Amino acid sequence: DVKVTQSSRYLVKRTGEKVFLECVQDMDHENMFWYRQDPGLGLRLIYFSYDVKMKEKGDIPEGYSVSREKKERFSLILESASTNQTSMYLCASSFILTGENTEAFFGQGTRLTVV
Amino acid sequence: AQTVTQSQPEMSVQEAETVTLSCTYDTSESNYYLFWYKQPPSRQMILVIRQEAYKQQNATENRFSVNFQKAAKSFSLKISDSQLGDTAMYFCALGSSNTGKLIFGQGTTLQVKP
Repeated sequence: DVKVTQSSRYLVKRTGEKVFLECVQDMDHENMFWYRQDPGLGLRLIYFSYDVKMKEKGDIPEGYSVSREKKERFSLILESASTNQTSMYLCASSFILTGENTEAFFGQGTRLTVV
Repeated sequence: AQTVTQSQPEMSVQEAETVTLSCTYDTSESNYYLFWYKQPPSRQMILVIRQEAYKQQNATENRFSVNFQKAAKSFSLKISDSQLGDTAMYFCALGSSNTGKLIFGQGTTLQVKP
């Protein structure tokens, strides 16, 4: 089974803290993604990466950065957490989108609360 | 810019009946994929069905089928013989084969009533 593992299921951090959300996949996928999920807004893409050390901004990158030093690991960084970053964060990974069986696999999500 | 729009925030259906969830999208690319994902209360996202844009034939997976209208940029999901286990949030997604970007819509919460 494909596994996408996020380091924490629940996280509480203080305003101004630097926060790291880690995601690891075990399928040698090229693509990795970070989304945040908010009621009524669906999943919004923060950043994605198509290769080691490569990254592309998604639709809402402000206040976030990412790191991909190894193919299997994609980290989301909140440089200075703010209360408006309280949300559910989902990581996903996939092969390049081609072929009959292409799909993205998701982690279990991290519910981050910034107080 | 790529966009995905789901205009039905909530829907309900009686068990054993059929329901259709709507999705429209916009992209200027020619090589792309469309997906429907299901998110049950457990939060784990599960692929329901995929459609390759270059295929005219609508995808089907058991009780799930799509109506893919490429010119209209419409991609609806039909669930036949609805079951209580189909209760979940459903997300429509658009993936670019060129850039790898994968974006999602706002989601539709579906409740199947006994």
